Amino acid sequence: QTVVTQEPSLTVSPGGTVTLTCASSTGAVTSGYSPNWFQQKPGQAPRALIYSTSNKHSWTPARFSGSLLGGKAALTLSGVQPEDEAEYYCLLYYGGAQLGVFGGGTKLTVL
Amino acid sequence: EVQLVESGGGLVQPGESLKLSCAASGFTFSGSAMHWVRQASGKGLEWVGRIRSKAKSYATTYAASVTGRFTISRDDSKNTAYLQMNSLKTEDTAVYYCTRLFVSNTGDYGMDVWGQGTTVTVSS
Repeated sequence: QTVVTQEPSLTVSPGGTVTLTCASSTGAVTSGYSPNWFQQKPGQAPRALIYSTSNKHSWTPARFSGSLLGGKAALTLSGVQPEDEAEYYCLLYYGGAQLGVFGGGTKLTVL
Repeated sequence: EVQLVESGGGLVQPGESLKLSCAASGFTFSGSAMHWVRQASGKGLEWVGRIRSKAKSYATTYAASVTGRFTISRDDSKNTAYLQMNSLKTEDTAVYYCTRLFVSNTGDYGMDVWGQGTTVTVSS
């Protein structure tokens, strides 16, 4: 069974920079896994932020960026805002988008 | 406006069946793959499965946890995707979301639009 691992929680100060990562139990994450990132706030549906490693949707704030870092997918928030406090999930696709596996989520606290 | 609206959730007993619907509007539904994702209360997101477009033979794939029990289908004439859930278990209790798979002109892809979700409770 494939497992995707994220940091359970991270804390960042307003205006700071933080990087969230996403690892696969199958080995290094590559662009072939088309990493996606989502933000979810309490009581709301998830909101898509990043697709295919580093592509932003039209509504994604410029302070969010995606990349590959040390064999993992990464989501970096630069100039963190209080409204960025949320749960963040990564999604990796296996077998060319045949199967998707979400990470367990990272709870980001802005303090 | 691109929109997805799920419906059909409710309370059922273990072993029973339920069929969820996902009504789409604001985009060319027939050309899009549709995915289902669920979330148990206080837990993370779980990918459930997907159905591709007619051009891709309506191919479906499922998470191991639901294979053999859940079936995804679609009616392009109604712009609606469905999730048929049979032999429901208490662990299937969750909010169920449908999402669209967005594909860019460079072939990059990811889920973009999400519905608001519909709640399924499996309990005796």
